[in-house]
Amino acid sequence: SQQGEEDPQALSIQEGENATMNCSYKTSINNLQWYRQNSGRGLVHLILIRSNEREKHSGRLRVTLDTSKKSSSLLITASRAADTASYFCATDATTGGFKTIFGAGTRLFVKA
Amino acid sequence: DGGITQSPKYLFRKEGQNVTLSCEQNLNHDAMYWYRQDPGQGLRLIYYSQIVNDFQKGDIAEGYSVSREKKESFPLTVTSAQKNPTAFYLCASRWGQAGYGYTFGSGTRLTVV
Repeated sequence: SQQGEEDPQALSIQEGENATMNCSYKTSINNLQWYRQNSGRGLVHLILIRSNEREKHSGRLRVTLDTSKKSSSLLITASRAADTASYFCATDATTGGFKTIFGAGTRLFVKA
Repeated sequence: DGGITQSPKYLFRKEGQNVTLSCEQNLNHDAMYWYRQDPGQGLRLIYYSQIVNDFQKGDIAEGYSVSREKKESFPLTVTSAQKNPTAFYLCASRWGQAGYGYTFGSGTRLTVV
């Protein structure tokens, strides 16, 4: 079954609000990555958090990782209309050789 | 600026035709990948290559072929054996096999007509 699963599938908020997206996974991981995809475009790497890290920040982004619960969250603070996109988590497993699993994504819509 | 260039942006394929999608990177990355994206789904790995003249099948390799004759280039051929090729195809690269984020191209949308 799919390793990375995002929740919620879709999220609609007002500009200025915070947006939180969650990702769950099933096996031990080396790292977890978050990506953003605008409609019809490629994915853009946002942030990578390693299995021995618990929190990471990049500008308005905050990522947390809880390996005991096999989950991660992406928080976008003070959202803007330009943040409207799909957000994907991806995990690199520690076993089974190379394997990156992408979730199905959360579609975020920020209303101006 | 370094990056990945995919071409064409849109491609139409007739039944029974082979088509080739181009992917070029100037990031000096060793590893390159092809992913397929269908609406509402995550990315699925078609093929990957960690070094020139070597590549491995991913989860959905049937009906596809690749080559890696140069470090910078990793073209994907969608053959007539691929029965449902309509999808968005993404090429990506990164340092090494794992532990780093991917850089993606802007994608090729393939439609069967």
